[in-house]
Amino acid sequence: DQQVKQNSPSLSVQEGRISILNCDYTNSMFDYFLWYKKYPAEGPTFLISISSIKDKNEDGRFTVFLNKSAKHLSLHIVPSQPGDSAVYFCAASARSFGNEKLTFGTGTRLTIIP
Amino acid sequence: DVKVTQSSRYLVKRTGEKVFLECVQDMDHENMFWYRQDPGLGLRLIYFSYDVKMKEKGDIPEGYSVSREKKERFSLILESASTNQTSMYLCASSLKGYEQFFGPGTRLTVL
Repeated sequence: DQQVKQNSPSLSVQEGRISILNCDYTNSMFDYFLWYKKYPAEGPTFLISISSIKDKNEDGRFTVFLNKSAKHLSLHIVPSQPGDSAVYFCAASARSFGNEKLTFGTGTRLTIIP
Repeated sequence: DVKVTQSSRYLVKRTGEKVFLECVQDMDHENMFWYRQDPGLGLRLIYFSYDVKMKEKGDIPEGYSVSREKKERFSLILESASTNQTSMYLCASSLKGYEQFFGPGTRLTVL
């Protein structure tokens, strides 16, 4: 049972435009969400996170939106740059329940077209 | 900078061999994790540890064991490697309540 779903395996976006990556979850106990970026042959690197007490968190070109009623989060990258081409994973945890485990989605491969 | 290192980038083993994957972190993190990454399946948690000598099963622990004798080191053991354990193995560490930092991964091939 996939508790965290990324339904788009791939996405192509023109350089300079906005990239929107989506993620859905089913477990109501999840209260902390993260996005990781992964280049080939490297480990994932942390990008941005959001707690369920917020609906938006921004860090430079990256913004994460959380819609708790829809159990949906999205990552916006604007403007998109060639170096953003990577696989993006969303992850979730039930942190307020003392659970440090992360449940990951299956990833979305983002390609930025110059 | 947090550094998580893994003993090998690439490893080739035979079916039935005992395999050790080592992970070391240098930031005094309490938590350490082992994942495997497979195409179309994302990252799946094998085992994790909240403290020295403590371990808990993740989502796919079958065929694996772990050891954490020192805070900075977390080992993943494949008692008898099988071809379906061919995968990318990723180690991560974190402070309690904070994001996880990942190592570069070990690409294991079991023939």
